[in-house]
Amino acid sequence: GAGVSQSPSNKVTEKGKDVELRCDPISGHTALYWYRQSLGQGLEFLIYFQGNSAPDKSGLPSDRFSAERTGGSVSTLTIQRTQQEDSAVYLCASSLAGMGSYNEQFFGPGTRLTVL
Amino acid sequence: KNEVEQSPQNLTAQEGEFITINCSYSVGISALHWLQQHPGGGIVSLFMLSSGKKKHGRLIATINIQEKHSSLHITASHPRDSAVYICAVRSWDRDDKIIFGKGTRLHILP
Repeated sequence: GAGVSQSPSNKVTEKGKDVELRCDPISGHTALYWYRQSLGQGLEFLIYFQGNSAPDKSGLPSDRFSAERTGGSVSTLTIQRTQQEDSAVYLCASSLAGMGSYNEQFFGPGTRLTVL
Repeated sequence: KNEVEQSPQNLTAQEGEFITINCSYSVGISALHWLQQHPGGGIVSLFMLSSGKKKHGRLIATINIQEKHSSLHITASHPRDSAVYICAVRSWDRDDKIIFGKGTRLHILP
């Protein structure tokens, strides 16, 4: 497609359940980023992929959060044993190259996660 | 103190007014982004700057590296410009992490 896509657009889950969020970057973009935006808060960096590897995982808030990227394309962010404080909009972005380069990031529409 | 500060936090203006949103940062940067987040939540990247000035339609972005300051200007503002405008920097001081400002909420009245 023409832009970054994410699925699902909305996810409501019960506390303690696991969730998977998916991101399809723009074709040819080697760098992929995950962010989250909690209600009333600014954007928070979670993790960055260059190809299939994640040089920077420092933003992941706890070991319940993990992410992978396969084939240098689709990425999945997994949250295990969800907590209410995980409720947020999770945003994915992609760019032509990674952190060390001056490449513009293109954002997906986000996944709104609500943990009851 | 936040490493990226935006001002004002909120701005309401009449249609047609010239708008300026400011961003100051305290870290060394390799690039600065201006983003627009619409009321529905979607984010659009407006500009990426490492020096000088860029213009796109009614939007102008400037950066002064020495003063660690950037401005986003909107000429002939329109109600459809109503959104949250976010400044973000890529900081070589912080291992190339991206640090976001808290955003400026702009409301243009018809």
